Amino acid sequence: AQSVTQLDSQVPVFEEAPVELRCNYSSSVSVYLFWYVQYPNQGLQLLLKYLSGSTLVKGINGFEAEFNKSQTSFHLRKPSVHISDTAEYFCAVSDLAVSGGYNKLIFGAGTRLAVHP
Amino acid sequence: GAVVSQHPSWVICKSGTSVKIECRSLDFQATTMFWYRQFPKQSLMLMATSNEGSKATYEQGVEKDKFLINHASLTLSTLTVTSAHPEDSSFYICSAIDRAGNIQYFGAGTRLSVL
Repeated sequence: AQSVTQLDSQVPVFEEAPVELRCNYSSSVSVYLFWYVQYPNQGLQLLLKYLSGSTLVKGINGFEAEFNKSQTSFHLRKPSVHISDTAEYFCAVSDLAVSGGYNKLIFGAGTRLAVHP
Repeated sequence: GAVVSQHPSWVICKSGTSVKIECRSLDFQATTMFWYRQFPKQSLMLMATSNEGSKATYEQGVEKDKFLINHASLTLSTLTVTSAHPEDSSFYICSAIDRAGNIQYFGAGTRLSVL
């Protein structure tokens, strides 16, 4: 069975500082990996995804993530955060469809990024 | 990008009444939609997978008679919370799969408060 672990429930950081939100997963098969962001009282917005190819993935709002298969990690990074980046961030995994169908997303518990002035 | 619209964004109802939440894919056809429930400060828990033209698949522990799902067209799925009680109060979020089947696009969520 798949699982996703987000190692930090909260990450406080000052504005313009770099940030890394950690995500590890476990799966016996190859996976797709995602990072979503959720602002208060809103749904989830896709930040970036890894499906195949280059292990360094760039997303929206200046975020990027690196897929590390040997460490089963998919950490999210941003070199300089803004106040507006304050939100909840979810890492998610789904395994590759076996027969062309679609498999469920498994979410981590979320990391609350709080950017302070 | 693909847009998923969810309505209403907030609903308050009396205990014992039923509430319907709509999820629409606005610019793409979605053969599969998902319904999630999110408690405060927690992650999303998948409730059910909604397939167009067939019965929904419910996750273990989710009462199918309590949470009725209908996916009558390629752009609309509805979740009806029947005989709602205060413990059903939660944030409900839907998502839809794009044609390639790789990415879920999420609605803005519906906050249900049952008094």
